[in-house]
Amino acid sequence: QKEVEQNSGPLSVPEGAIASLNCTYSDRVSQSFFWYRQYSGKSPELIMSIYSNGDKEDGRFTAQLNKASQYVSLLIRDSQPSDSATYLCAVNGGSGNTGKLIFGQGTTLQVKP
Amino acid sequence: ETGVTQTPRHLVMGMTNKKSLKCEQHLGHNAMYWYKQSAKKPLELMFVYNFKEQTENNSVPSRFSPECPNSSHLFLHLHTLQPEDSALYLCASSQGGSGGTYQETQYFGPGTRLLVL
Repeated sequence: QKEVEQNSGPLSVPEGAIASLNCTYSDRVSQSFFWYRQYSGKSPELIMSIYSNGDKEDGRFTAQLNKASQYVSLLIRDSQPSDSATYLCAVNGGSGNTGKLIFGQGTTLQVKP
Repeated sequence: ETGVTQTPRHLVMGMTNKKSLKCEQHLGHNAMYWYKQSAKKPLELMFVYNFKEQTENNSVPSRFSPECPNSSHLFLHLHTLQPEDSALYLCASSQGGSGGTYQETQYFGPGTRLLVL
């Protein structure tokens, strides 16, 4: 059973701090990794995708991938109350463009003013 | 309309009813997906269509019947559902095509919140 694991939280950080969200996955052949943000009652929206080991930065967001450790993380710098949401980690099931995304349960982030 | 749209946004149905969920994507994509999101559970992939052909059925009960008449439209026909089928049903789309090293990004619609009584 291929799995994606996230700590459900809630993760609480003060405004302006760095929020660190973590995700581990079980399928060693996975090549594609995604972070989605989901506000309560809304659908998931893509924040970042990452395919290679290392860091990928986009504005206040940095995704980090370590395939050897089967670990992907999302850092949010200068956290804002508007960042309060559930963050979903998604990993492709198998190698290549399979169409199958396996999602973690999500980590709820609370940014306190 | 832009992106991925879904109708209806909310649906209440009895266990003996028949209803359909509709999804339309305006992104020029060729792959479409149905997902189920239940409370306290991860998003579950249900079906995948690529260029109108079903390429994945994730062991979904036959009371859920998908239909993809063209690359822009996807339906989920519902009949004799159970209360445990109450969930948020999300449609997504991606560029589509076979092969490739990396998984394409999927873009989600707003979802249909379904309540089965």
